[in-house]
Amino acid sequence: DTAVSQTPKYLVTQMGNDKSIKCEQNLGHDTMYWYKQDSKKFLKIMFSYNNKELIINETVPNRFSPKSPDKAHLNLHINSLELGDSAVYFCASSQGGGTQPQHFGDGTRLSIL
Amino acid sequence: GDSVTQMEGPVTLSEEAFLTINCTYTATGYPSLFWYVQYPGEGLQLLLKATKADDKGSNKGFEATYRKETTSFHLEKGSVQVSDSAVYFCALINAGNNRKLIWGLGTSLAVNP
Repeated sequence: DTAVSQTPKYLVTQMGNDKSIKCEQNLGHDTMYWYKQDSKKFLKIMFSYNNKELIINETVPNRFSPKSPDKAHLNLHINSLELGDSAVYFCASSQGGGTQPQHFGDGTRLSIL
Repeated sequence: GDSVTQMEGPVTLSEEAFLTINCTYTATGYPSLFWYVQYPGEGLQLLLKATKADDKGSNKGFEATYRKETTSFHLEKGSVQVSDSAVYFCALINAGNNRKLIWGLGTSLAVNP
């Protein structure tokens, strides 16, 4: 029944490793997002896809690569992890634009050792 | 560009106290305005929204009125409960922004019994 689900919930890994976070939404939405939330709760949009097409690509290191195999899935792959990548990553989805709210997953807490 | 400014936290209140969290915005045109809430360990969820001037959004005892003359969208609740302890985010979305929400920095609220 979960609307936006992310896996894994926790990810602990070492610097230099490559990791992926998966996101799936069962709401039938056409747009999905990745956000990064730092320890001060500041939210930063990273990417957004609409019907599998990239529409928002903020200033993010190119070690981060999103992939949307279909409009219900948006995965995030991170290469060569760095200490500064430690954060909570949220996936979200929405239908259409304008006033439609975004629905968030519960987040993936990434800790780099 | 568009921006959202909300009062800094943390805000600490006793149960049944009155809550106001200030939010002002800068935007061209007629943005839609939102309040999201993030409970500990969870993702963000929409609390309320307003899509045009003088609209009042309300949910779970919270209210906010879209004031175009003062470019504000302050969040209020008459009597807070311990369960309202969370981080509250004000946000806006504007036409032509590629469905990108512009976020405030968040205000942490702690309600003591």
